Amino acid sequence: NAGVTQTPKFQVLKTGQSMTLQCAQDMNHNSMYWYRQDPGMGLRLIYYSASEGTTDKGEVPNGYNVSRLNKREFSLRLESAAPSQTSVYFCALLGTPNTEAFFGQGTRLTVV
Amino acid sequence: AQSVAQPEDQVNVAEGNPLTVKCTYSVSGNPYLFWYVQYPNRGLQFLLKYITGDNLVKGSYGFEAEFNKSQTSFHLKKPSALVSDSALYFCAVRDAGTDKLIFGTGTRLQVFP
Repeated sequence: NAGVTQTPKFQVLKTGQSMTLQCAQDMNHNSMYWYRQDPGMGLRLIYYSASEGTTDKGEVPNGYNVSRLNKREFSLRLESAAPSQTSVYFCALLGTPNTEAFFGQGTRLTVV
Repeated sequence: AQSVAQPEDQVNVAEGNPLTVKCTYSVSGNPYLFWYVQYPNRGLQFLLKYITGDNLVKGSYGFEAEFNKSQTSFHLKKPSALVSDSALYFCAVRDAGTDKLIFGTGTRLQVFP
């Protein structure tokens, strides 16, 4: 989606490896989110950030860390990847409270 | 705690027939409600939202949804389904007092010719 860029698009990790998923926006929105999507589980919120410098846990934060160093970027880090973290990860952002969310195209992560 | 329930994993409907995809929610404050659609190997696309006002909201591609406060529901509807409507549909709720946006588990809509 225009305005929300996720990198990488695909990644294969070995168990125990670390990696950072990047999300950048040029829409000047305050709130940014990380979700994971698994079959039958829908989208589950991992972490979110209401503004630069703030982060909050979502529904499934264990095994992840996030960083919101500036308004444009919100990164998701897996310190020691596990097979249970195999999923599709989506970054999203929100402007004012009554606007809809805009989503990135997703990162397909496989942990072997 | 905020939550969203989509009780049907899959909805099957014949082309030309009306469709309904169900959603119920729970929030502590006033709800902001959304429907999104996902086509295979794609991200999520916004369909419609309820913030305040008229309980019947109209969105993209001929979809509409009805907000029912007493039943805490926000069902997605379309008068006449198309085969191209076949996709995965997600309901989401945002508590007006927070920035937390929670999604349901999704409902796969299959429209048969």
